[in-house]
Amino acid sequence: RKEVEQDPGPFNVPEGATVAFNCTYSNSASQSFFWYRQDCRKEPKLLMSVYSSGNEDGRFTAQLNRASQYISLLIRDSKLSDSATYLCVVNNYGGSQGNLIFGKGTKLSVKP
Amino acid sequence: NAGVTQTPKFQVLKTGQSMTLQCAQDMNHNSMYWYRQDPGMGLRLIYYSASEGTTDKGEVPNGYNVSRLNKREFSLRLESAAPSQTSVYFCASSELGGGGQETQYFGPGTRLLVL
Repeated sequence: RKEVEQDPGPFNVPEGATVAFNCTYSNSASQSFFWYRQDCRKEPKLLMSVYSSGNEDGRFTAQLNRASQYISLLIRDSKLSDSATYLCVVNNYGGSQGNLIFGKGTKLSVKP
Repeated sequence: NAGVTQTPKFQVLKTGQSMTLQCAQDMNHNSMYWYRQDPGMGLRLIYYSASEGTTDKGEVPNGYNVSRLNKREFSLRLESAAPSQTSVYFCASSELGGGGQETQYFGPGTRLLVL
């Protein structure tokens, strides 16, 4: 089975801290990579796509290392509102059409 | 736009009962998906529909059937519910359905408890 592995956490950090999540994937043919955010008892929502050159959206930076097959998400200046579970998502290239493989998620708790 | 809507929000069934989970999207998306999410397991694909008139099995299709009623609606049916089907069910949609290249938008979920 194609898999996506994440550290489940929880990561407990103070406001203002910088926190990094890593994710590894097993399908070397995968071409699309995403970070989704899921609040407690809510649906997952796209946080950002991850591009080969790396990309940034405000306080969030995503990196992709194809050679090592890992993806990272860096959150700077953490806010209380960043508390959520972050899902690493990879397309299952070569598998079913439209098939995304979801990691189990890393839980982040930002404390005052 | 409401995005992706699901009904019901919560359901309790007895073993052996049947029910249909409804999903609709108003974004004119071609592809729709049904996932289940269990503690410690992450999201797993049950069935998907790449376009109106087509459906295909995902990772965990056993015990479920689906119907793509039209472009907007994609239903999931449990013919004979089992306790192992206790889960949170999410419907999702995406614009093109091209091999997982694009964003999927999720509904709010249906929490199902099978006793």
